[in-house]
Amino acid sequence: AQKVTQAQTEISVVEKEDVTLDCVYETRDTTYYLFWYKQPPSGELVFLIRRNSFDEQNEISGRYSWNFQKSTSSFNFTITASQVVDSAVYFCALSERGYQKVTFGTGTKLQVIP
Amino acid sequence: DTGVSQDPRHKITKRGQNVTFRCDPISEHNRLYWYRQTLGQGPEFLTYFQNEAQLEKSRLLSDRFSAERPKGSFSTLEIQRTEQGDSAMYLCASSSTSGVVTGELFFGEGSRLTVL
Repeated sequence: AQKVTQAQTEISVVEKEDVTLDCVYETRDTTYYLFWYKQPPSGELVFLIRRNSFDEQNEISGRYSWNFQKSTSSFNFTITASQVVDSAVYFCALSERGYQKVTFGTGTKLQVIP
Repeated sequence: DTGVSQDPRHKITKRGQNVTFRCDPISEHNRLYWYRQTLGQGPEFLTYFQNEAQLEKSRLLSDRFSAERPKGSFSTLEIQRTEQGDSAMYLCASSSTSGVVTGELFFGEGSRLTVL
């Protein structure tokens, strides 16, 4: 069975601080996909990134970066120089078997204080 | 290009009543998913369709829940004999398995159900 754990329930940072959101996953498959989604206060979930299990390269997109480590089954998300607009709930998710059932973690609520 | 739309956005009902939610996915998407989200929790998988075929249904889903996607386009989720524990946001998402496949789910704004 697939499982995603986000141990951090809520995080508060002051604007311009860096923040890392943790994600640990469990799966029996050798082929799987990991995602991060953002849910702003308005409520609609928005896709941020996908990684597949064969690609452990870290990725950077602007102020966002992702660190994927198969050895520790982790897929952590770092926001550099956080901004108030980053305030949202962030979900890590896992999909096995070709993007079929997608399992979400419980989310981390990030509050960026001006 | 319109996104995923859900109707109604809000539904208040009395315990024991039946409710139905509709989801219109992005038109070229062949996969459609239903999730349920309660306060402070992540989306919980309910079921998904590829075209009109329902390929997986959560074991957590009781027999009071049924979903259809009759022509492989829009989908409905019906909850019969609602209970207070059914109060949640019901999310619909769609995705495509053709072309450049990213696995991205496109979510609607959700249908919030309150059972009194």
